[in-house]
Amino acid sequence: EPEVTQTPSHQVTQMGQEVILRCVPISNHLYFYWYRQILGQKVEFLVSFYNNEISEKSEIFDDQFSVERPDGSNFTLKIRSTKLEDSAMYFCASSVDRINQPQHFGDGTRLSIL
Amino acid sequence: ILNVEQSPQSLHVQEGDSTNFTCSFPSSNFYALHWYRWETAKSPEALFVMTLNGDEKKKGRISATLNTKEGYSYLYIKGSQPEDSATYLCAATQTGANNLFFGTGTRLTVIP
Repeated sequence: EPEVTQTPSHQVTQMGQEVILRCVPISNHLYFYWYRQILGQKVEFLVSFYNNEISEKSEIFDDQFSVERPDGSNFTLKIRSTKLEDSAMYFCASSVDRINQPQHFGDGTRLSIL
Repeated sequence: ILNVEQSPQSLHVQEGDSTNFTCSFPSSNFYALHWYRWETAKSPEALFVMTLNGDEKKKGRISATLNTKEGYSYLYIKGSQPEDSATYLCAATQTGANNLFFGTGTRLTVIP
C-alpha cells in the first residue's frame, strides 16, 4: 500500500540554525499538510498546501516557517532560525481530496533543538 | 480553532472485553470527524471519516457513531485483542477548511 515517507526520522540541530524536513506524499494525492506534536500536547496543524501554494496556515506557522514542493514529489518544511520551542515531532500528511477523505500520515521527524 | 476533547485519557481492558471511548467537539461550524489509530513509533492510521449526523461506520471489530447536533462521536471496539493496543485519536474539521483539530487521544491497553 502506498505510504507517506518522511526523512530524517530524527534531526538534532543547534538553536538558530536552519532545518529542512522532507516528505514524499502519496503520488496521486493533491493536498499536503504539516502537523506537529510537542511532547505531551495535542497534534497541532501547521499548514496545508494545494496547487503549489499554501491554502491554510495556523498561527504557529509564522515567518520562520516555509513550505515548498520543489520537484513534484518532495514536500519540504523549512524552519529558518530554530528556537528551543520548535522541538517536537513533525508529521507530514497527504490526501487525495480536501473533503470526506482521510489524511495519510508519515512516521514523523523528531526535531530536537539544543 | 475547534476544541476537541477525548475521554478517557487512558484505558486498560482485558482481552475479549468490549470497550468504547468518546470524542466531543463544538457542533457549530463542524464539518467532518476523523478517527485514527496510532501505534507507538508508527504513523497514525486512518480508521473513519464521518460527516452526517447519525453516521455509523464499521471496520472489522471497530465501529464509530457520530452525533453532530450534540457534538460527540463514540468509537467502539468489540472483543478487544492485544493488537488493538494503541492511541486512538479523533480530529474534527470546520466548514470551509480541511485542517484537522485533534483531541489528546485515548491510550488503550488490552491485557492478554
